[in-house]
Amino acid sequence: DIQMTQSPSVMSASVGDRVTITCRASRGINNYLVWFQQKPGKVPKRLIYESSNLQSGVPSRFSGSRSGTEFTLTISSLQPEDFATYYCLQHNSYPFTFGGGTKVEIK
Amino acid sequence: VQLVESGGGLVQPGGSLRLSCAASRFTFSSFEMNWVRQAPGKGLEWVAYISSRGDTIYYADSVKGRFTISRDNAKNSLFLQMNSLRAEDTAVYYCAREGGDSWGQGTLVIVSS
Repeated sequence: DIQMTQSPSVMSASVGDRVTITCRASRGINNYLVWFQQKPGKVPKRLIYESSNLQSGVPSRFSGSRSGTEFTLTISSLQPEDFATYYCLQHNSYPFTFGGGTKVEIK
Repeated sequence: VQLVESGGGLVQPGGSLRLSCAASRFTFSSFEMNWVRQAPGKGLEWVAYISSRGDTIYYADSVKGRFTISRDNAKNSLFLQMNSLRAEDTAVYYCAREGGDSWGQGTLVIVSS
């Protein structure tokens, strides 16, 4: 099975900060990587698909990139509505696997 | 796109439940579907996959042999038959369209005596 190591698990940040979240795959997953945002009590929302494609309707401050088996979600300028938990998901091979999540808290 | 899960509830360990996901506002028969769950206060866990025609199925190791995913394209419905339930199966269960672009609101399954 492919393991997705997501870091950090928790981070504190301020409005306006640049935030970077990383997922490392235990082996190659091509670009089959999705980023989700989840707020408490809400359904996960897809932000990025195929590693770097912005989901329609998602603000352009969100971006995704890949370097080998390391994938990065970047929020260029954190907004109040961005405080949430973020998950990566690899869907290159079964079983699909999620990262452990990153909770972005208010500093 | 609309996905609406139902069938959750309280069940005793060893019991069974059948979850349903009613799909609308898209061509259900053209899309692969998944079940994903989230235990209280925990992260997301992929559970099962079914191809658009239902001829290819995969499961997480944690549910293999106990859960069965199926679909009825004529009725735009996805199912998850859950047998031999354990306390660790307690979670909100979501149906999600391929690629995760659309999710239902989830249905809560509680396994407890």
